[in-house]
Amino acid sequence: DTAVSQTPKYLVTQMGNDKSIKCEQNLGHDTMYWYKQDSKKFLKIMFSYNNKELIINETVPNRFSPKSPDKAHLNLHINSLELGDSAVYFCASSRGRSGELFFGEGSRLTVL
Amino acid sequence: QKEVEQNSGPLSVPEGAIASLNCTYSDRVSQSFFWYRQYSGKSPELIMSIYSNGDKEDGRFTAQLNKASQYVSLLIRDSQPSDSATYLCAVTGESKLTFGTGTRLQVTL
Repeated sequence: DTAVSQTPKYLVTQMGNDKSIKCEQNLGHDTMYWYKQDSKKFLKIMFSYNNKELIINETVPNRFSPKSPDKAHLNLHINSLELGDSAVYFCASSRGRSGELFFGEGSRLTVL
Repeated sequence: QKEVEQNSGPLSVPEGAIASLNCTYSDRVSQSFFWYRQYSGKSPELIMSIYSNGDKEDGRFTAQLNKASQYVSLLIRDSQPSDSATYLCAVTGESKLTFGTGTRLQVTL
């Protein structure tokens, strides 16, 4: 039973398109995150939600919009995709803000 | 200035040796420190957490923390080829977890 699941695992799309990534966790955690890992493997936080409330919103273009319908789900919608958006996007969850994160398998986005 | 710094490696150690991975951080008020392991093409997984100065041991892994020097390290004893991965240091501060760029470890036969 997958603890943190993301869909889709792979996305290949053209510049200018819009895409969404979905994330669900069944660990009973109350905090969820989106991280971006670029080609140099640097893992950078984008957003964090605690009990559906946005608590971290790093300097991310407005084209990225997270949505948390409940504390078990955190989705990411990206408008007007650009080449620089190509990366692996990881969803993660934790109990509170403990720093002990459980990661999903990642969603590899390729923008052509 | 990077908030969490690690040597990118690769760090190459022979099988059975001790691998020593180091990390420095800039935020003096950081309270919690973590080591994550990431295999190629996989997601990061938590292997160690440490919250107070000193050593914490878990099996072949020992985490060491020195807050005065703003330094945290991970020792892997009896290194195995299966330990070959990238090791990410992570530090909490300003209510978020910040990762270093990782050190790639290669354990050779």
